[in-house]
Amino acid sequence: AQSVAQPEDQVNVAEGNPLTVKCTYSVSGNPYLFWYVQYPNRGLQFLLKYITGDNLVKGSYGFEAEFNKSQTSFHLKKPSALVSDSALYFCAVRSYSSASKIIFGSGTRLSIRP
Amino acid sequence: DAGVTQSPTHLIKTRGQQVTLRCSPKSGHDTVSWYQQALGQGPQFIFQYYEEEERQRGNFPDRFSGHQFPNYSSELNVNALLLGDSALYLCASSLSGTPDTQYFGPGTRLTVL
Repeated sequence: AQSVAQPEDQVNVAEGNPLTVKCTYSVSGNPYLFWYVQYPNRGLQFLLKYITGDNLVKGSYGFEAEFNKSQTSFHLKKPSALVSDSALYFCAVRSYSSASKIIFGSGTRLSIRP
Repeated sequence: DAGVTQSPTHLIKTRGQQVTLRCSPKSGHDTVSWYQQALGQGPQFIFQYYEEEERQRGNFPDRFSGHQFPNYSSELNVNALLLGDSALYLCASSLSGTPDTQYFGPGTRLTVL
């Protein structure tokens, strides 16, 4: 069965510092991995995805994520945090054989202090 | 170009009632997925529609049903509402050829009293 774990409910970072939001996954076969962001009273916005290729994936708003197969992790990173990055972040996974069913993690609230 | 739209924005129902939520996909998209997001949790996949048929379903009871129309818009129906059905219901659209790029609507907040 597919699953995603986001071990931190909340991450607090000072503006200008690097940030990391952690995600680990479990899936049969090769994983398709995603990061989404959700602002208050808004739907989810796609940030980036990993399907194959380079383990470092670059996405929207200066975010990037690193795929690590041996650790089954897909951590979201940004070199310099902005106050406007404060939001709820979701990691998601699907298996190659299940094109429709995407499994989301429970989310991590990112808070950037000025 | 309008993105994914959902109606209504908010809805209040009582236990046992039935509800219909609506979704219009992003222009040109032919696939619609529905998710339930309970408070403090991540979205859970309910089902996906393509070519007016349910293509895959998550772990939701038969009380949850859907429909897709020829113009690709979709409805989510929930019968015999329970208190636990209170959640934000999200619709996402995509192109069948690029299923991994989903665009989400703002959601419908359903409250069951």
